Amino acid sequence: GAVVSQHPSWVICKSGTSVKIECRSLDFQATTMFWYRQFPKQSLMLMATSNEGSKATYEQGVEKDKFLINHASLTLSTLTVTSAHPEDSSFYICSASSALSLYRREQYFGPGTRLTVT
Amino acid sequence: GDSVTQMEGPVTLSEEAFLTINCTYTATGYPSLFWYVQYPGEGLQLLLKATKADDKGSNKGFEATYRKETTSFHLEKGSVQVSDSAVYFCALSVDYGGSQGNLIFGKGTKLSVKP
Repeated sequence: GAVVSQHPSWVICKSGTSVKIECRSLDFQATTMFWYRQFPKQSLMLMATSNEGSKATYEQGVEKDKFLINHASLTLSTLTVTSAHPEDSSFYICSASSALSLYRREQYFGPGTRLTVT
Repeated sequence: GDSVTQMEGPVTLSEEAFLTINCTYTATGYPSLFWYVQYPGEGLQLLLKATKADDKGSNKGFEATYRKETTSFHLEKGSVQVSDSAVYFCALSVDYGGSQGNLIFGKGTKLSVKP
């Protein structure tokens, strides 16, 4: 159990366009979802935390108007990279956790989405 | 601030060799410590964890002991297999008032095991 999926697994977009990445918890209700960014040979950096039905909390230095996060249901969160530029090219990973039951204290990770902006 | 430092890779070993991946941390509170593994093309999976000093986490032959005196959580396995080839991340979270804090990750160590 506790499977998290992401879609798409990879995407190429042109500079100036927007791209949406979906994160779904397939077999549990995720009260909290997290979005990370991972650069090559670098650690995962937390971008934002979102609780279902609430506005996301962004980490310092992350532009909330550029990285729009929506967590409208207990099984789906989306990250939209608006007006993407080549420096936004990265590996984006989501994770989900639940305060409802035995998954309370653990994050379950999606497989990641590789974004390339040309 | 809170941080995690782990040995840089890549690490290349022969099958059945002994594995150690060092991890040290700094934290202002009382952290829980984790090792995550990322197999090629897959998401991060929790490998093992320890929530207090002297706890030993273990799973799939891997072990790590929470050493408060040396602020370390080194990952070990006595005999690695080709299937252990992956990237390993050390991480911590500091709990506040009963709620789990955010995970802070090390940079990851890529392990390649040759037959």
